[in-house]
Amino acid sequence: DAKTTQPNSMESNEEEPVHLPCNHSTISGTDYIHWYRQLPSQGPEYVIHGLTSNVNNRMASLAIAEDRKSSTLILHRATLRDAAVYYCILRDPFISNFGNEKLTFGTGTRLTIIP
Amino acid sequence: DVKVTQSSRYLVKRTGEKVFLECVQDMDHENMFWYRQDPGLGLRLIYFSYDVKMKEKGDIPEGYSVSREKKERFSLILESASTNQTSMYLCASGTLALNTGELFFGEGSRLTVL
Repeated sequence: DAKTTQPNSMESNEEEPVHLPCNHSTISGTDYIHWYRQLPSQGPEYVIHGLTSNVNNRMASLAIAEDRKSSTLILHRATLRDAAVYYCILRDPFISNFGNEKLTFGTGTRLTIIP
Repeated sequence: DVKVTQSSRYLVKRTGEKVFLECVQDMDHENMFWYRQDPGLGLRLIYFSYDVKMKEKGDIPEGYSVSREKKERFSLILESASTNQTSMYLCASGTLALNTGELFFGEGSRLTVL
């Protein structure tokens, strides 16, 4: 399974943009890049995902490098409620459709927002 | 709203006891997963299941077993609990058609083994 590498922790000031990096140098052509976040005392929740093109939703933006070996989750204006652990994972829909998808989350990036 | 419900938020058990952690999802998802989460180690996959009565080992299956008798329910079993199984346990579910791929997690079950 392709792996991802993220910084252990990051800090950002409130109301400023945050760029959370993820390296996935062994990504395959069919892997989708997914981001989840885990707020304190909660289970992880889905944030965004993409394959090649940059993606936007109400929570965040995902910028994917042209070679797909790295990606960046962008929070455009961080609030205190964005303080969480952010996980970047790779998912292969062809593997999952055969029912043997082994999803590994790793340790993620702990984002601290400074008021 | 999609919901993944874990039976207990907090449990305290004694060494050697048999422990059942239950997880129920209401979205007819094929895939279900059990993770444990420990400080500094992130989320580690224990077992997963992609269909009723089917199960696959994750990265740390030792000391655990699972049961999936019905599609909506995935149980994690600690046959003889040990103190090193004190942890937060998280259940997740998702569909097979995963190019959209959202996983849904429960709120977690914090198990303390004394």
